[in-house]
Amino acid sequence: DSGVTQTPKHLITATGQRVTLRCSPRSGDLSVYWYQQSLDQGLQFLIQYYNGEERAKGNILERFSAQQFPDLHSELNLSSLELGDSALYFCASARAGTSGDTQYFGPGTRLTVL
Amino acid sequence: GENVEQHPSTLSVQEGDSAVIKCTYSDSASNYFPWYKQELGKRPQLIIDIRSNVGEKKDQRIAVTLNKTAKHFSLHITETQPEDSAVYFCAASYPSAGAGSYQLTFGKGTKLSVIP
Repeated sequence: DSGVTQTPKHLITATGQRVTLRCSPRSGDLSVYWYQQSLDQGLQFLIQYYNGEERAKGNILERFSAQQFPDLHSELNLSSLELGDSALYFCASARAGTSGDTQYFGPGTRLTVL
Repeated sequence: GENVEQHPSTLSVQEGDSAVIKCTYSDSASNYFPWYKQELGKRPQLIIDIRSNVGEKKDQRIAVTLNKTAKHFSLHITETQPEDSAVYFCAASYPSAGAGSYQLTFGKGTKLSVIP
């Protein structure tokens, strides 16, 4: 157990819908990262938050957005869902978000869009 | 930005043999190189990492080597066991400008199968 929690574990929804994925970082970690992992694919970095502020964007679609709240938990919002959005979504947290910090991954949310 | 290439994409070895996975990176400023292991349906977990001021690091049966001049680093697993079967990801990051400014760029992964 990495100490990072994600809910829900599984999510099944239809095209065109909107969903929210939630992540709670390890106690004391200020940085949260979101990744998308499609079938047999690597880890695509989506977005990073640090202490409530957006710090970096990767290959995140405009239909996707995220935020980090004062208690440091983060939510990833996916809207106008398409079949291709079906994937495992991981969040990871790191202490201060400086180079060399270990990123600890949560168990992931498996999203299926039908 | 940083680009990380990882080879091979799949690797099969007999139990007890060694396995080597190689990665190259593009940004010569990168200074931190972790390796993650992901078992089927599970989260990626850090197994070993190396910083640019070190050429080699070992932890029991796993070791990582770094060649800064050639911009490549490798994962070595000796005496492989069936439980080593998983997908392994390498990653790289360049020096951060301060807290909260660090991201990892991952390779596409290597699926290692250890045949009993």
